[in-house]
Amino acid sequence: AQSVAQPEDQVNVAEGNPLTVKCTYSVSGNPYLFWYVQYPNRGLQFLLKYITGDNLVKGSYGFEAEFNKSQTSFHLKKPSALVSDSALYFCAVRDSSGGSYIPTFGRGTSLIVHP
Amino acid sequence: DAGITQSPRYKITETGRQVTLMCHQTWSHSYMFWYRQDLGHGLRLIYYSAAADITDKGEVPDGYVVSRSKTENFPLTLESATRSQTSVYFCASAGEINQPQHFGDGTRLSIL
Repeated sequence: AQSVAQPEDQVNVAEGNPLTVKCTYSVSGNPYLFWYVQYPNRGLQFLLKYITGDNLVKGSYGFEAEFNKSQTSFHLKKPSALVSDSALYFCAVRDSSGGSYIPTFGRGTSLIVHP
Repeated sequence: DAGITQSPRYKITETGRQVTLMCHQTWSHSYMFWYRQDLGHGLRLIYYSAAADITDKGEVPDGYVVSRSKTENFPLTLESATRSQTSVYFCASAGEINQPQHFGDGTRLSIL
């Protein structure tokens, strides 16, 4: 079985400061991991993914995420937050060993960047 | 324009009515999905499809029906709408199972 957890419902950060949105996962095989962002009244937009290779993955809008197998985590990071980064962020995982192609989504973390 | 579009964007209807939400994608993606998004529940999968004429139930399929006669279309029908089906509905597609999903901008459905 696969599962994903986003332990924080909300993250607050000041503009210009670094931000981290946390994600942990559980799978039987190897994980395929994704981050999405959702702005108000819009669908989810893909930010970045980890399938294999380098543990540090770079994505859209200056975001990056670090895959940590020992801690089963895939935290989303950005060195300097912008007010326009305020949105809802979703982590998703799919187990490579499972027969299903359906990813499991976390509950989402609301990121609020204060001017 | 290439993409995934949902229609209508907003819909108000009454309990007991049948309503169909449309989803159309222009990439010829094999995989398509329907989710509902509710406060406190995140995204919940209603139905999914791996190809035309192949559909499967997700986490919350009761009260919903889907069809996929063509690769590009994946309509979702509420046969007899109930107030508990008031939600925002998202359609998504993916070309391959390891590729990210592309989401439409949703249909906000209110059932009175």
